[in-house]
Amino acid sequence: RKEVEQDPGPFNVPEGATVAFNCTYSNSASQSFFWYRQDCRKEPKLLMSVYSSGNEDGRFTAQLNRASQYISLLIRDSKLSDSATYLCVVSTASGGSYIPTFGRGTSLIVHP
Amino acid sequence: NAGVTQTPKFQVLKTGQSMTLQCAQDMNHEYMSWYRQDPGMGLRLIHYSVGAGITDQGEVPNGYNVSRSTTEDFPLRLLSAAPSQTSVYFCASSYRGTGNEQYFGPGTRLTVT
Repeated sequence: RKEVEQDPGPFNVPEGATVAFNCTYSNSASQSFFWYRQDCRKEPKLLMSVYSSGNEDGRFTAQLNRASQYISLLIRDSKLSDSATYLCVVSTASGGSYIPTFGRGTSLIVHP
Repeated sequence: NAGVTQTPKFQVLKTGQSMTLQCAQDMNHEYMSWYRQDPGMGLRLIHYSVGAGITDQGEVPNGYNVSRSTTEDFPLRLLSAAPSQTSVYFCASSYRGTGNEQYFGPGTRLTVT
């Protein structure tokens, strides 16, 4: 079983829709959680960190459920420009370092 | 501020050739990492470094060497390229460990024939 799992999609939604992605992780000792966005043939860029209490950044809301070992990303009022692949990242401490593990990504396509 | 730079952007190698992928950052980040990204596989960690003079293996280190003689530079060496190393390679850096935000370079697209 892969350490970090995501539904690859694609999620195909109309503009203005609300869409949610989940990501599950297997290591209960994982300590840091992130969502990255990756546009086609570009490098990943941080979208937002995920905090235990949940956090919001404009139209984006991230939540962490440690008991069930998953994180989620909610996008409200989807824009065409939100079309991208969303990568879940889970970091786990190991030997004084934090080792990040990336999910395979969830593809989002927002259409007019 | 250049951030993380990688050279070359594209490279074609023949099986058995060697080459070095260059990575540099100007943010004084302690941590630097190399990833490869293959279709359907996501990003996989090859090697990482927690500071100058210190390197360690990631998930898929075989066939790759790294060194970290300065804080700024973290080159990745392929000693004898194989077709299985055809991939997109990303270098990343971060403050205080990879539990923090990582900044990625634009990537190197490598094809081994």
